Amino acid sequence: SQQGEEDPQALSIQEGENATMNCSYKTSINNLQWYRQNSGRGLVHLILIRSNEREKHSGRLRVTLDTSKKSSSLLITASRAADTASYFCATDAVGSGTYKYIFGTGTRLKVLA
Amino acid sequence: DAGVIQSPRHEVTEMGQEVTLRCKPISGHNSLFWYRQTMMRGLELLIYFNNNVPIDDSGMPEDRFSAKMPNASFSTLKIQPSEPRDSAVYFCASSRTGPDTQYFGPGTRLTVL
Repeated sequence: SQQGEEDPQALSIQEGENATMNCSYKTSINNLQWYRQNSGRGLVHLILIRSNEREKHSGRLRVTLDTSKKSSSLLITASRAADTASYFCATDAVGSGTYKYIFGTGTRLKVLA
Repeated sequence: DAGVIQSPRHEVTEMGQEVTLRCKPISGHNSLFWYRQTMMRGLELLIYFNNNVPIDDSGMPEDRFSAKMPNASFSTLKIQPSEPRDSAVYFCASSRTGPDTQYFGPGTRLTVL
């Protein structure tokens, strides 16, 4: 079963607006990562946040993590047409004994110029 | 660095044929992952290796699927015999260690007729 579920499934905004995507997961985690996938391409890592962190920034990206609610959000500020892509969260699982990440279903973001 | 290299990029085959997908991870990375991506099921982890040893193959759908990693710089995913439902994009990814950032290859788009 999916560990992470993104919300919304699809999002369409105007260039310059902010985009917020959410990820909910089921079991306790060590780390949560966000990835971007452009159409027809592989996934590209954006940011990793550890379970003891609450917020992280990278350029125009801001990620928050609420372990009590088992959720994370990715905020892209001042969006650009080049941000059009699918965004996935990936979570590992505490006590799994392995280091595999389970990817969510993704949010398809479209930024209109 | 060249990144993760996958071959072929596209493969079209007929049902019943053997298919072999190849992956060269980033030099120095100890973990290698094979994923399958479809519209219906999203991104699924099939198997992952650590130091060339298969650690978790619980995602391999059937005995028709097999994966090997004979050395640190090469891995194969084989499907024998192939079926139309195997049509998907197959990604290989590598990381320095299990919990670290994963670097994805461009994928192999497999079509089984």
